[in-house]
Amino acid sequence: AQSVTQLGSHVSVSEGALVLLRCNYSSSVPPYLFWYVQYPNQGLQLLLKYTSAATLVKGINGFEAEFKKSETSFHLTKPSAHMSDAAEYFCAVSDNYQPDSSYKLIFGSGTRLLVRP
Amino acid sequence: NAGVTQTPKFQVLKTGQSMTLQCAQDMNHEYMSWYRQDPGMGLRLIHYSVGAGITDQGEVPNGYNVSRSTTEDFPLRLLSAAPSQTSVYFCASSRGRADHPQHFGDGTRLSIL
Repeated sequence: AQSVTQLGSHVSVSEGALVLLRCNYSSSVPPYLFWYVQYPNQGLQLLLKYTSAATLVKGINGFEAEFKKSETSFHLTKPSAHMSDAAEYFCAVSDNYQPDSSYKLIFGSGTRLLVRP
Repeated sequence: NAGVTQTPKFQVLKTGQSMTLQCAQDMNHEYMSWYRQDPGMGLRLIHYSVGAGITDQGEVPNGYNVSRSTTEDFPLRLLSAAPSQTSVYFCASSRGRADHPQHFGDGTRLSIL
């Protein structure tokens, strides 16, 4: 079964520092991959998605992620952290590789990003 | 443009009570789903629907029922609430294509005493 691993339940960075949140998936076939962000007391908001068009995906708020098939990874990065980036981040993978079919999302356990002034 | 609307936002129940969490979307999405979010466990799929009249079980369906009589609505019923069902519940919808993201509501925070 498909699974997603997010290394580090908490990541702390200084404002202005590089943000790196790690995500690894288990499938041998490249799936569709998503990063979501959850601000306190809110639902999940899509940051970016990988759907095989390009390995480097740019999202909202200056975030980007690189799909590496050889490493089965889809790590999320941002060059310079801002206080407003403090939130919980979830990596998710679809369980279906057919683009015209419905699918279920499998989520990682989440990483809480703390930004120090 | 409301997106996915969940009601209520907060609810406290006693063990054994039943209740329905409401979810409505105005994007004409075929696919709708319910997740529960517990600390350190990410989101786990409870039930999902690929269209009106069609529902199926997810990863953690026990203790929950769903129905889908219209495209817009996808209520989640707790039959006899238990403390283990204390959680934050999210409803999501999408076009039903694997390359399209799911859109989430703001959640219902449920406590079972």
